Amino acid sequence: QVQLQESGPGLVKPSETLSLTCTVSGGSINNYYWSWIRQPPGKGLEWIGYIYYSGTTNYNPSLKSRVTISVDTSKNQFSLKLTSVTAADTAVYYCARDSTATVAGGLWDYWGQGALVTVSS
Amino acid sequence: EIVMTQSPATLSVSPGERVTLSCRASQSVTGNLAWYQQRPGQAPRLLIYGVSTRATGIPARFTGSGSGTRFTLTISSLQSEDFAVYYCQQYNNWPLTFGGGTKLEIK
Repeated sequence: QVQLQESGPGLVKPSETLSLTCTVSGGSINNYYWSWIRQPPGKGLEWIGYIYYSGTTNYNPSLKSRVTISVDTSKNQFSLKLTSVTAADTAVYYCARDSTATVAGGLWDYWGQGALVTVSS
Repeated sequence: EIVMTQSPATLSVSPGERVTLSCRASQSVTGNLAWYQQRPGQAPRLLIYGVSTRATGIPARFTGSGSGTRFTLTISSLQSEDFAVYYCQQYNNWPLTFGGGTKLEIK
């Protein structure tokens, strides 16, 4: 059974960089697309971007200038960096796996439990 | 970007009732429409994809339908575990986008 676990600081100061890592267990990171999705408290879902195990990325244009997603296949991990954060970036951040190998289908069958990141001084 | 609009925002229903949730897209998403269920404190769970195909392990009481820009999710007989928030999502165009959600609450 594939499991995903987000990790990283729960509190980030305004203007600094938010960094999260997703560790994949119970399966290989290879051959799949992996996404970050966020949810502000009490609000809806926003897709941030994806990365393929090979390193190919695609970002939401609304965040593209501030987002970098990277992958470390040797550790079965992928990571999110979001720069110049503000209070509007406060959210639960989820990592998720695309449901079909080798396809960036945009359907996610495995999700992490989510990590709340608060932006505050 | 395709804007997804769900209605209503909240539905108060009783266990055992049949309920229909609506989702509208700002432009055609062809058949690339999914529904997710999110229970409090949990990650979303894929329920339906391709408008009407149930994901693995999803009970038959969940039915999706629609085409183009208008879609519905019907739950035939509400169980206690179905009281949650439901999101529609289009995966026809990047960036992928979600509706604002419909919350099912117990009447």
